[in-house]
Amino acid sequence: KQEVTQIPAALSVPEGENLVLNCSFTDSAIYNLQWFRQDPGKGLTSLLLIQSSQREQTSGRLNASLDKSSGRSTLYIAASQPGDSATYLCAVNNAGGTSYGKLTFGQGTILTVHP
Amino acid sequence: DAGVIQSPRHEVTEMGQEVTLRCKPISGHDYLFWYRQTMMRGLELLIYFNNNVPIDDSGMPEDRFSAKMPNASFSTLKIQPSEPRDSAVYFCASGIFRDFPEAFFGQGTRLTVV
Repeated sequence: KQEVTQIPAALSVPEGENLVLNCSFTDSAIYNLQWFRQDPGKGLTSLLLIQSSQREQTSGRLNASLDKSSGRSTLYIAASQPGDSATYLCAVNNAGGTSYGKLTFGQGTILTVHP
Repeated sequence: DAGVIQSPRHEVTEMGQEVTLRCKPISGHDYLFWYRQTMMRGLELLIYFNNNVPIDDSGMPEDRFSAKMPNASFSTLKIQPSEPRDSAVYFCASGIFRDFPEAFFGQGTRLTVV
């Protein structure tokens, strides 16, 4: 059974800092990995998706990396802003059979960026 | 496209009542998922469909929960009878995993059972 762990559970940083959120998963037979953002009381917004054959994806100030063999992904946020404050969720899509398409989520990292 | 549309956005009901949550996936998507989010357990997959057929319902907590997808543009999640422990945010998501392997989520339905 796939298990996804995110560290840290919460992070508070001053504006302008570069930061790293970590995600680890137990079963490396994944199809892809997706990072989401969730604002309080809102739905999930997809930030980045990395295919299992890829090493990283970038979108603006966000960079996500994937090391499938070691079961790890990181989300790097450059020059953080107060508007980045949200919960960041990592989810893996397992490959094959009835697992195909299912997303297993981590518990999330609650990020607070203060001015 | 308007994205994945869920209704209602909020639902408050009394214990024992039947609750029906609705989802309209993005047009053309062949996968549809129902997730539940609670503080204690985070996001959990309840059931998912591929081409309107239920593929895996192992996450459905018990017989009180049922889900249907009568056509490609509509799905329901029903709880009968509802209990206070069913209080959570229920999300619907859709995707085309072979061609564009990304899940798109609706805004969720916040269910409170009193």
